[in-house]
Amino acid sequence: GNSVTQMEGPVTLSEEAFLTINCTYTATGYPSLFWYVQYPGEGLQLLLKATKADDKGSNKGFEATYRKETTSFHLEKGSVQVSDSAVYFCALSNDYKLSFGAGTTVTVRA
Amino acid sequence: NAGVTQTPKFQVLKTGQSMTLQCAQDMNHEYMSWYRQDPGMGLRLIHYSVGAGITDQGEVPNGYNVSRSTTEDFPLRLLSAAPSQTSVYFCASSIGGFLDGYTFGSGTRLTVV
Repeated sequence: GNSVTQMEGPVTLSEEAFLTINCTYTATGYPSLFWYVQYPGEGLQLLLKATKADDKGSNKGFEATYRKETTSFHLEKGSVQVSDSAVYFCALSNDYKLSFGAGTTVTVRA
Repeated sequence: NAGVTQTPKFQVLKTGQSMTLQCAQDMNHEYMSWYRQDPGMGLRLIHYSVGAGITDQGEVPNGYNVSRSTTEDFPLRLLSAAPSQTSVYFCASSIGGFLDGYTFGSGTRLTVV
């Protein structure tokens, strides 16, 4: 079956620091990979996605590259802001359902 | 364009009561699903639908029922609420499934006492 393992948090950073959240997966076939973000008190928003190997998804300064050889999809941002404080979820899908990691809470301090 | 609308936002139930969580989308999406979010466990799939009249079970379906009579609506019914069903529930919809990802509603926070 499908499963997603992501770096445990919480992660606390200073503004302008570099952020990496590790995500690895197990799946049958060729899944699509996603990063979702959840701001306090809100639902999940799609941050970025990649649908095939070596694709790079990017949005709002965040990037992640679909690495089939290492079954990974690590999220990175070069300079975080206080407004990036949120919970980040790695997810995969190869049909009509999403499988999520446990989520990583990121807090950015000014 | 409202996207995915969930009601109510908050609900407190007594053990044994039943209720329906409402979900509606106005994007003409074929694929809809319900997830529950619990601390440290991410989101887990309860039920999903690939079109009107078609539903199937997800990872944690026990104690929940769904139906899909229209493309727009996908209600989730709790048959006899239990404290273990205390959670945040999210409805999501997608036009293309795994190629596009899902659009999520803002959630319903349910407490069963």
